Amino acid sequence: NAGVTQTPKFQVLKTGQSMTLQCAQDMNHEYMSWYRQDPGMGLRLIHYSVGAGITDQGEVPNGYNVSRSTTEDFPLRLLSAAPSQTSVYFCASTVRGTETQYFGPGTRLLVL
Amino acid sequence: GENVEQHPSTLSVQEGDSAVIKCTYSDSASNYFPWYKQELGKRPQLIIDIRSNVGEKKDQRIAVTLNKTAKHFSLHITETQPEDSAVYFCAASDSFNDMRFGAGTRLTVKP
Repeated sequence: NAGVTQTPKFQVLKTGQSMTLQCAQDMNHEYMSWYRQDPGMGLRLIHYSVGAGITDQGEVPNGYNVSRSTTEDFPLRLLSAAPSQTSVYFCASTVRGTETQYFGPGTRLLVL
Repeated sequence: GENVEQHPSTLSVQEGDSAVIKCTYSDSASNYFPWYKQELGKRPQLIIDIRSNVGEKKDQRIAVTLNKTAKHFSLHITETQPEDSAVYFCAASDSFNDMRFGAGTRLTVKP
């Protein structure tokens, strides 16, 4: 099993550009989440999903969209990138009914 | 919502010494308390967790203690080794979509 995978590993964007961060998992986990990690602030939840077709907002959702068309994939879309979105983004999956997060390797995003 | 505070932000110990990291939480409904280790440039990985119906849990050189009354929990690492050097995060939650993380502790183990 590859576990949770993310692409790209690193991306540079200009302010106003849009992009999609990809996340996939092959563990058949129903729950998936997106977090951002900023220095001195730990991890903060952006959006999450409890199954295909079901998504909801987390603690810091503004500027991001998600969709969940399959159990395996959970892409995160930045609609119009801003320098404040410079961060490391982690996708995670979780077995339904539990809380343990299995993280992907992360995407480092720089918005100029 | 939940608020998790973690101390210290940095910790330096000699190899073989013990290290203790403490976290406090605010929401009495929180019932799951994991600890994650993150090496430089890598993903956070779960090293130990505890639920609110348990006061202490051990796994080899690491242990976690929970005081529900005082709303704090701690990570204890004994006989530290250089490979324990990393950033450690605590978290508290009552569901997978309500997990709040501490700001992290950078542990350095000097050989």
